[in-house]
Amino acid sequence: NAGVTQTPKFQVLKTGQSMTLQCAQDMNHEYMSWYRQDPGMGLRLIHYSVGAGITDQGEVPNGYNVSRSTTEDFPLRLLSAAPSQTSVYFCASSYGKRSYEQYFGPGTRLTVT
Amino acid sequence: AQSVTQLDSQVPVFEEAPVELRCNYSSSVSVYLFWYVQYPNQGLQLLLKYLSGSTLVKGINGFEAEFNKSQTSFHLRKPSVHISDTAEYFCAVSVWASGTYKYIFGTGTRLKVLA
Repeated sequence: NAGVTQTPKFQVLKTGQSMTLQCAQDMNHEYMSWYRQDPGMGLRLIHYSVGAGITDQGEVPNGYNVSRSTTEDFPLRLLSAAPSQTSVYFCASSYGKRSYEQYFGPGTRLTVT
Repeated sequence: AQSVTQLDSQVPVFEEAPVELRCNYSSSVSVYLFWYVQYPNQGLQLLLKYLSGSTLVKGINGFEAEFNKSQTSFHLRKPSVHISDTAEYFCAVSVWASGTYKYIFGTGTRLKVLA
């Protein structure tokens, strides 16, 4: 199993540009989520999904969109990038509602200039 | 509302010395408890977890943690650290709310092992 994969690993955007961060998992996990990690703030939940076709907002959803058309994929879209979105983004997945532990991808380091 | 507090943002310790990283949580319902480790430029990986049963749980790399319900704590310990333990450590709780499990992370403790 590849586990949770994320692409790209690094990205530089200009303010106002849009892009999609890709996330995929091959463990047939129902639950997937996106976090951002900023110094001194730990991980903050952006959006999450409890299954294909079902998404919900987390703690810091503004400026981001998600969709979940398949169990495997959970892309995160930045609509109009802002410098405040400079961060490291992690995708994670876990077994359905019995969410015991999460499996994390390697992260995407995004810089918005 | 549920929350997780990691009391120390940074902990320096000499190699082969013991270490304790502190974690306290607040919740009015039962929780599952976790410690994750993040090595530089990597994602998080599970170190250990408490779901139920024995309050002392053992994880990978010689780490262990003890669940104390009365003090709402889940401190992480290792009797003798190595340079390779230098990393950031996150405490997390999973709590059932609004029809799903919600995960809440602490802000992390950076462990620096000194030679």
